Amino acid sequence: EDKVVQSPLSLVVHEGDTVTLNCSYEVTNFRSLLWYKQEKKAPTFLFMLTSSGIEKKSGRLSSILDKKELFSILNITATQTGDSAIYLCAAASGTYKYIFGTGTRLKVLA
Amino acid sequence: TAGITQAPTSQILAAGRSMTLRCTQDMRHNAMYWYRQDLGLGLRLIHYSNTAGTTGKGEVPDGYSVSRANTDDFPLTLASAVPSQTSVYFCASSSYGQGSSPLHFGNGTRLTVT
Repeated sequence: EDKVVQSPLSLVVHEGDTVTLNCSYEVTNFRSLLWYKQEKKAPTFLFMLTSSGIEKKSGRLSSILDKKELFSILNITATQTGDSAIYLCAAASGTYKYIFGTGTRLKVLA
Repeated sequence: TAGITQAPTSQILAAGRSMTLRCTQDMRHNAMYWYRQDLGLGLRLIHYSNTAGTTGKGEVPDGYSVSRANTDDFPLTLASAVPSQTSVYFCASSSYGQGSSPLHFGNGTRLTVT
């Protein structure tokens, strides 16, 4: 059965800290790994990763995929209160399936 | 651009009643999806459509039906609502139904079945 597991389930840090969020996956016909940030409403797209070892970066956020060990990490440096959200990862499998993890709830304290 | 528009934003529905959740996209994406999001269970796929005129069942399709008469619209119908269908429903779309492009989400419909 296809599955995506995220850890930790929740995390509380102080502004300025660096955090690492983990996502492991087991899916058939893997195509890509996606990260989303969800605040109050719709998940918003952060990264899509298809190749191992190539870091994607956007400002203070970065992510990398390891297709051999079947995991991805999302790093956030110099965290800010605006980074507080649920971070979701999803593995794209086959023609239509995007399997989501249950998310990591991040709270950044001022 | 509007992206994906869902309506209504929220709804309280009596058990046994029917309801259609509306979803419209203006990005000309081929593929569209309906997910439900429940605490502790994450996002689960209800139904999907890779192109206009075709639909498929996702992980939790029972009690729901969809249609895809054109590219832009993908309504989700609950024929006879039950309390376990209380959830937040997200419509999403992607350029290609091949897992090679990201999903874009609407703002969701919060449904409470009493």
